[in-house]
Amino acid sequence: TQLLEQSPQFLSIQEGENLTVYCNSSSVFSSLQWYRQEPGEGPVLLVTVVTGGEVKKLKRLTFQFGDARKDSSLHITAAQPGDTGLYLCAGLARSSASKIIFGSGTRLSIRP
Amino acid sequence: GAGVSQSPSNKVTEKGKDVELRCDPISGHTALYWYRQSLGQGLEFLIYFQGNSAPDKSGLPSDRFSAERTGGSVSTLTIQRTQQEDSAVYLCASSYGETQYFGPGTRLLVL
Repeated sequence: TQLLEQSPQFLSIQEGENLTVYCNSSSVFSSLQWYRQEPGEGPVLLVTVVTGGEVKKLKRLTFQFGDARKDSSLHITAAQPGDTGLYLCAGLARSSASKIIFGSGTRLSIRP
Repeated sequence: GAGVSQSPSNKVTEKGKDVELRCDPISGHTALYWYRQSLGQGLEFLIYFQGNSAPDKSGLPSDRFSAERTGGSVSTLTIQRTQQEDSAVYLCASSYGETQYFGPGTRLLVL
């Protein structure tokens, strides 16, 4: 069974602080995605990383795919209240055609 | 056209009743997924349809759960003899490549 573990599960920080969310697995993924979900809505894709060691930046968000393609991180610089939400990583396994596996999520709360 | 739509948006039912949840994917998307999400948790994969291939039902938690996709478009997830532990948000997503587009979900409450 392929699992994606996210840490921390919950994070509450002050506006302006930096944070990092981790997504780890013992399995190798051909690509990994990060989604953000707000209350009452479905998840929305933020980024897809496909190459080991790849780093992508989306404004204040920096995403990294591990060299071995088993893990990823999301770093937010100078967090804003609008960053509040549930962050989910999702991996596309090499062995499974298009079946995407989701992590358990990190609930982020940014206090003004 | 529009994004993925799901209906109903909310459903309250009594234990033991059957429920049907509907998903209208984005036109032209060949893949359709159903997930279950408990309060504030991650997504639990239920079933995956890809074109005309046999669906991947490996995530269905019991034989009370079934889904079909008619004409490669609309999908219905049916839960028979609902139990209180079935209470959750049921999310549908469609895709043409690796990017999944999610609907707003159906919030199911079994009393």
